[in-house]
Amino acid sequence: GDSVTQMEGPVTLSEEAFLTINCTYTATGYPSLFWYVQYPGEGLQLLLKATKADDKGSNKGFEATYRKETTSFHLEKGSVQVSDSAVYFCALAGGDMRFGAGTRLTVKP
Amino acid sequence: EAQVTQNPRYLITVTGKKLTVTCSQNMNHEYMSWYRQDPGLGLRQIYYSMNVEVTDKGDVPEGYKVSRKEKRNFPLILESPSPNQTSLYFCASSFGGSRNEQYFGPGTRLTVT
Repeated sequence: GDSVTQMEGPVTLSEEAFLTINCTYTATGYPSLFWYVQYPGEGLQLLLKATKADDKGSNKGFEATYRKETTSFHLEKGSVQVSDSAVYFCALAGGDMRFGAGTRLTVKP
Repeated sequence: EAQVTQNPRYLITVTGKKLTVTCSQNMNHEYMSWYRQDPGLGLRQIYYSMNVEVTDKGDVPEGYKVSRKEKRNFPLILESPSPNQTSLYFCASSFGGSRNEQYFGPGTRLTVT
């Protein structure tokens, strides 16, 4: 069945560092891909999405490109801020809805 | 304000005592879903509903029931809770299905002793 594998955390970075969180997937057909973010004590909220190969999703300085050839959807941000500290989930929606295990990011001043 | 609400937010109960977690959305979304979040496992889908009176199993439906009698409400029922159902539960909704943005509730932390 469909599955999502994302980089294990936790990840700790200094402010203004470059961020990459890796995400790869296995799916039949053509799923939509998402990054959701969860701030402490809250539910998940959509960060960005891509619906077809080569699409780039972007929001709040974060980007991810739907790579069908490598079955990947890596999350990147050029300069992280303390306020980006959260748990990030990669997810796919095809025949099933699948989430990765989550990656906790802590950004230190 | 567009939102998904869940009640209760926190619940401690004993094995075998039936409970219901309510979920309501005010966005007229067709699709609603329940997830449980456990450390190291991410979110796993319990049940989902594409519309009123239409529900289907997700990945981990055992021990849970749902109903969708009204578009806005999607309660999660644990008829006989067990300790392995201790978890953080999220309700979510979206227009048209899981391929669209899902809006999540704040979560319900359930402990079964």
